[in-house]
Amino acid sequence: SAVISQKPSRDICQRGTSLTIQCQVDSQVTMMFWYRQQPGQSLTLIATANQGSEATYESGFVIDKFPISRPNLTFSTLTVSNMSPEDSSIYLCSSRGGDYSYNEQFFGPGTRLTVL
Amino acid sequence: GQQLNQSPQSMFIQEGEDVSMNCTSSSIFNTWLWYKQDPGEGPVLLIALYKAGELTSNGRLTAQFGITRKDSFLNISASIPSDVGIYFCAPPGATNKLIFGTGTLLAVQP
Repeated sequence: SAVISQKPSRDICQRGTSLTIQCQVDSQVTMMFWYRQQPGQSLTLIATANQGSEATYESGFVIDKFPISRPNLTFSTLTVSNMSPEDSSIYLCSSRGGDYSYNEQFFGPGTRLTVL
Repeated sequence: GQQLNQSPQSMFIQEGEDVSMNCTSSSIFNTWLWYKQDPGEGPVLLIALYKAGELTSNGRLTAQFGITRKDSFLNISASIPSDVGIYFCAPPGATNKLIFGTGTLLAVQP
C-alpha cells in the first residue's frame, strides 16, 4: 500500500489562527484527498487536491476556510484558516492511483487538531 | 445524498468469538471497500470487493459483496484483542469518491 505521512501529527491552536497540515506520499499518485473526522464520527470528504490547479471542494467546504495546495504528484497541504473550536477534528490525507489499483484508496495517520 | 448504514453500531465480544457486521445502502455500488481504524490512526484498507456475490478473504477476515449490490458483509473469525477498532465500509460513489459508512465499533474482551 501507499505510505502516507502527515505533519504535524497533532496540534493545539488558539482561536483565530491558522494551521497548515502537510501530506507526503511515498510514490506518485493520481489523486489526493483531504478528509475531516469529527470526534466519534465517520469521515467526511473536504476536497480533492488537484495537481497544478485549484482543489475541488465538497458541499459545505470553501476555499477561503480550507485552502489546499498540490504542487506535485506526491505532496499536498491543507490549511485550516481562522480556526474556531468547531474545527477541532482529525484531518486525514488520502491517496489513490499511481503504482496501486485505482480502486484502492489509502490514508495517512491523521492530524489531531484541538482549537481552544 | 447517499447513505450507508452499518450494523451493529458497536459490539462487545469475548476473545475467540466470531464477528459479523454489515453495511446497507439504498444505492447500487460497483465496488465495496472495508477499512479498519485503530484508535489515533488513519483507516487501513482491509478488503476490496469488485463483483456482486464475490466472497474474499484476508486472513481471519471474510467479506462479501451483496448480490443486490446494495450491501456488503464483513466477518471476523476467532477474534483477538488487536481486532479492536472501528470498521468502516466505504464504496466509491458515482463520482468515484468514497462514501463512508457510519462505522461499527468493535471491542474485544481478552
